[in-house]
Amino acid sequence: NAGVTQTPKFQVLKTGQSMTLQCAQDMNHEYMSWYRQDPGMGLRLIHYSVGAGITDQGEVPNGYNVSRSTTEDFPLRLLSAAPSQTSVYFCASSKTGLAYEQYFGPGTRLTVT
Amino acid sequence: AQKITQTQPGMFVQEKEAVTLDCTYDTSDQSYGLFWYKQPSSGEMIFLIYQGSYDEQNATEGRYSLNFQKARKSANLVISASQLGDSAMYFCAMRDFSGGSNYKLTFGKGTLLTVNP
Repeated sequence: NAGVTQTPKFQVLKTGQSMTLQCAQDMNHEYMSWYRQDPGMGLRLIHYSVGAGITDQGEVPNGYNVSRSTTEDFPLRLLSAAPSQTSVYFCASSKTGLAYEQYFGPGTRLTVT
Repeated sequence: AQKITQTQPGMFVQEKEAVTLDCTYDTSDQSYGLFWYKQPSSGEMIFLIYQGSYDEQNATEGRYSLNFQKARKSANLVISASQLGDSAMYFCAMRDFSGGSNYKLTFGKGTLLTVNP
């Protein structure tokens, strides 16, 4: 099993550019989420999905879009990159429920100049 | 209000000693799950241990145990016999459902543990 995969591992963007961070899981998990990690801030939830076709906002959704057309894939789109979006981005998946740990991808380090 | 509070930005421990990392949480739900994750310098997130709110026993996983005090809303991680490889950032997290949480996993800001030889 590959688990949760993310591409790319590293990305440098110029302000105003758009891009999509890819996330895929092969565990048939209903629940998927995107986090950003900044120094001293822990992991903050950007968007999440409880199943195909269902997405919702997390704590810091502005500037990001998501869609969930399949159970496996949950891409994160940056619409117009800003330096404030420089961060490490993690995708995670799990079964839906209180007792299930989330499995994390390896992360994408994004720098916006 | 913060849902998860980790008051220790950094902790130091001598190799082979035990260390406790503090975590307090806030929820109005009766059912919730508490998790600890480890993030070494390589960056991956590693799940360590889980405690359910209705679990009567404290969770244990090898050298990790969770000191769960429900009335105090605390879920401290205890690492016994520290090893150099335990040096990492540790995050406490909670899943609850009500108030729009919808099973979202909320993280604390983390504690950076350094194990000294």
